[in-house]
Amino acid sequence: EDQVTQSPEALRLQEGESSSLNCSYTVSGLRGLFWYRQDPGKGPEFLFTLYSAGEEKEKERLKATLTKKESFLHITAPKPEDSATYLCAVQLGGSNYKLTFGKGTLLTVNP
Amino acid sequence: NAGVTQTPKFQVLKTGQSMTLQCAQDMNHEYMSWYRQDPGMGLRLIHYSVGAGITDQGEVPNGYNVSRSTTEDFPLRLLSAAPSQTSVYFCASSPSLASQTQYFGPGTRLLVL
Repeated sequence: EDQVTQSPEALRLQEGESSSLNCSYTVSGLRGLFWYRQDPGKGPEFLFTLYSAGEEKEKERLKATLTKKESFLHITAPKPEDSATYLCAVQLGGSNYKLTFGKGTLLTVNP
Repeated sequence: NAGVTQTPKFQVLKTGQSMTLQCAQDMNHEYMSWYRQDPGMGLRLIHYSVGAGITDQGEVPNGYNVSRSTTEDFPLRLLSAAPSQTSVYFCASSPSLASQTQYFGPGTRLLVL
């Protein structure tokens, strides 16, 4: 059973059309939730870390939010350069610090 | 800083061959890890290290060996390559195990025939 589920698998937007990506998790004892961006042929690039429900973080057109069971990555007025795969990962608490990644959402923003 | 570097960028192997994927970081990070990324699957942890001389298994360790003799380097060895090991391999580092803001390398694309 997947511990981290991202939806949708793929999303196509027009430039300027705002939307949200979802990351839901089934683990308990969450230590942190991470968002990464991955461009084709490259390694993931860190975007945000969220630690507690209600927390929000912003970077340019991106805003990440966290609830007890899911996180949203809101994209406001996206541009073509925002096209990428967005990965979500969770880190458990206790003695297990390792990250568990979701499968990602492929975002395409058309001009 | 170069960050995390990986070599080679691309490699073709025949079944049964062995090879080493190189990974180096210049950020003095304690934690280093290896992932593989396959279509339709998330990044899966192969092995990780919390410091020089300390390594441990991740989710999919079979067929791979690692060692960490220095803080900077964390090579991944394929002992006897199999077609199932065709994948893209990423090395990552972070300041510590608890701080999982990981910095990823550019990846090595491996094809096993």
